[in-house]
Amino acid sequence: GQNIDQPTEMTATEGAIVQINCTYQTSGFNGLFWYQQHAGEAPTFLSYNVLDGLEEKGRFSSFLSRSKGYSYLLLKELQMKDSASYLCAVRPNSGNTPLVFGKGTRLSVIA
Amino acid sequence: DVKVTQSSRYLVKRTGEKVFLECVQDMDHENMFWYRQDPGLGLRLIYFSYDVKMKEKGDIPEGYSVSREKKERFSLILESASTNQTSMYLCASSPSRGKFKTQYFGPGTRLLVL
Repeated sequence: GQNIDQPTEMTATEGAIVQINCTYQTSGFNGLFWYQQHAGEAPTFLSYNVLDGLEEKGRFSSFLSRSKGYSYLLLKELQMKDSASYLCAVRPNSGNTPLVFGKGTRLSVIA
Repeated sequence: DVKVTQSSRYLVKRTGEKVFLECVQDMDHENMFWYRQDPGLGLRLIYFSYDVKMKEKGDIPEGYSVSREKKERFSLILESASTNQTSMYLCASSPSRGKFKTQYFGPGTRLLVL
């Protein structure tokens, strides 16, 4: 089976750093994606990891450990506009298999 | 920029009606997907397609069918709408080649079945 776990909700303060964790158990692994979804809108692509380590993109970074089946998304210098749901998704194999999505983590940024 | 468009943002239908949701992408992507998204359940895959006239069932295909007559267009059909099909429907497309093969999503259709 395919299973992706992430916390349901998190709250953090404007200007702070927050880490959103994702663990996965899938039939195979060919990449992990993070998406951002604002309320009432479509998910938009944030990051992609296929090798172990940290990928940095501005205020957002994503980390992957394949041996542990673990990833996290790190958001620095939080802004109010970062309030959104963050979806972790895994591609189980190298073909065109659809991504397997977690249920998302709803992040609230407070002043 | 990749653009995925969906025919309606909001739709209200009655139980038993046949409902068509249209999705069009302009990036010549081979793969297209239909999901529904419900609170607490996340994104659930209904159907997907790797090529024209080709379709594969996802995790929850019951009560739905799809059509892909042209590469750029993927339609979701609710043969006889029911109240438990009230949901947000999201279409996505992705290329078959390339490093990321990221899925790009349309804006979604919020369907209410009365």
